[in-house]
Amino acid sequence: GDSVTQTEGQVALSEEDFLTIHCNYSASGYPALFWYVQYPGEGPQFLFRASRDKEKGSSRGFEATYDKGTTSFHLRKASVQESDSAVYYCALGDHSAGNKLTFGIGTRVLVRP
Amino acid sequence: GPKVLQIPSHQIIDMGQMVTLNCDPVSNHLYFYWYKQILGQQMEFLVNFYNGKVMEKSKLFKDQFSVERPDGSYFTLKIQPTALEDSAVYFCASSADNYAEQFFGPGTRLTVL
Repeated sequence: GDSVTQTEGQVALSEEDFLTIHCNYSASGYPALFWYVQYPGEGPQFLFRASRDKEKGSSRGFEATYDKGTTSFHLRKASVQESDSAVYYCALGDHSAGNKLTFGIGTRVLVRP
Repeated sequence: GPKVLQIPSHQIIDMGQMVTLNCDPVSNHLYFYWYKQILGQQMEFLVNFYNGKVMEKSKLFKDQFSVERPDGSYFTLKIQPTALEDSAVYFCASSADNYAEQFFGPGTRLTVL
């Protein structure tokens, strides 16, 4: 079945550091790829998506590029702020199955002031 | 932005009892979803629902689970009877169509004793 792997369980940074969270996927079809962010006490919030190879998604300074060759969708941000502290989830969407999302385990990002 | 509400935020019940989790989706959305997250584990898809019917369900969606949206009001997940392994946070989500991003509620933490 479909799966999403996030290699970093937790990342600790200082403000203005560069952030990278690695996401690799395995899917039989051609899924859409998503990043969601979750703050304490809330549900996941949609950050952005990409639907085809080489498409770049971006929002709030975060970006990721759909790479079908390496089956990756790595999240990057050039300069993090303390307010970026949250859990980040990579997910793939299967439109043939009613848009169900398959999530990665999540990466907890802690940004020190 | 659009909000999904979930009631209650916490529920503690004894094993074998019935529980109903309520979700108030975004008002013009047509697709509805339930996901389950056990502490420290990935969020996993349970079921999606459109036009009064279940479209897709995972193996986690046991026979004891049912969903409905009577009269266009709350979208509900009922578990009858509950088991210890049903303890988790249940997230509801909704989307405008089969390709749109999903908006998540804050979750209901269910504890089965």
